[in-house]
Amino acid sequence: EIVMTQSPATLSVSPGERATLSCRASQSVSSNLAWYQQKPGQAPRLLIYGASTKATGIPARFSGSGSGTEFTLTISSLQSEDFAVYYCQQYNNWPLTFGQGTRLEIK
Amino acid sequence: QVQLQESGPGLVKPSGTLSLTCAVSGGSISSSNWWSWVRQPPGKGLEWIGEIYHSGSTNYNPSLKSRVTISVDKSKNQFSLKLSSVTAADTAVYYCARGGYSARAFDIWGQGTMVTVSS
Repeated sequence: EIVMTQSPATLSVSPGERATLSCRASQSVSSNLAWYQQKPGQAPRLLIYGASTKATGIPARFSGSGSGTEFTLTISSLQSEDFAVYYCQQYNNWPLTFGQGTRLEIK
Repeated sequence: QVQLQESGPGLVKPSGTLSLTCAVSGGSISSSNWWSWVRQPPGKGLEWIGEIYHSGSTNYNPSLKSRVTISVDKSKNQFSLKLSSVTAADTAVYYCARGGYSARAFDIWGQGTMVTVSS
């Protein structure tokens, strides 16, 4: 099983600033990596797939990068609605696995 | 647009079987997609349970494989989850989700249903 490790566990950032979230895979997942946003009481929402391709309707301030074992989600200028929990997920190998999440909170 | 809706009992007794159904609306379950179940214990992260294709092909998480069955009913445009021998550790919000044929990123999710295992 591929273990996905996200860092930091919690990130405190002020609105308007940039946020950088990291995800590391225990072995290469190529570019088969997705990012999700989850708000309390809601289902996850797909942000990025293929490591860097934005899903439909995702604002331009969200971007993903990386390949192999190291990945980054960047939110260029945080809006109030961006404070949530973010998960990465690999789909290169079964079982599909998620990271433990990064909580993005208002500083 | 495609929507998913989970349904099933919210309370299951220990050692019993958890049974959930995911109804697909606005599209066909016979499209080129895999259909998954994902769960989330209260306050914790996401765990993939397994997936099914409309042909009936399945893939399961080895950690749950001995207890899980996922099936599809094309006539009703829905798929189902059965998890046997449940314990309190199976208490979670259960989501159904749609993944791509080759890229298993989940672009559509159900709203989730809370299942509690308790006597």
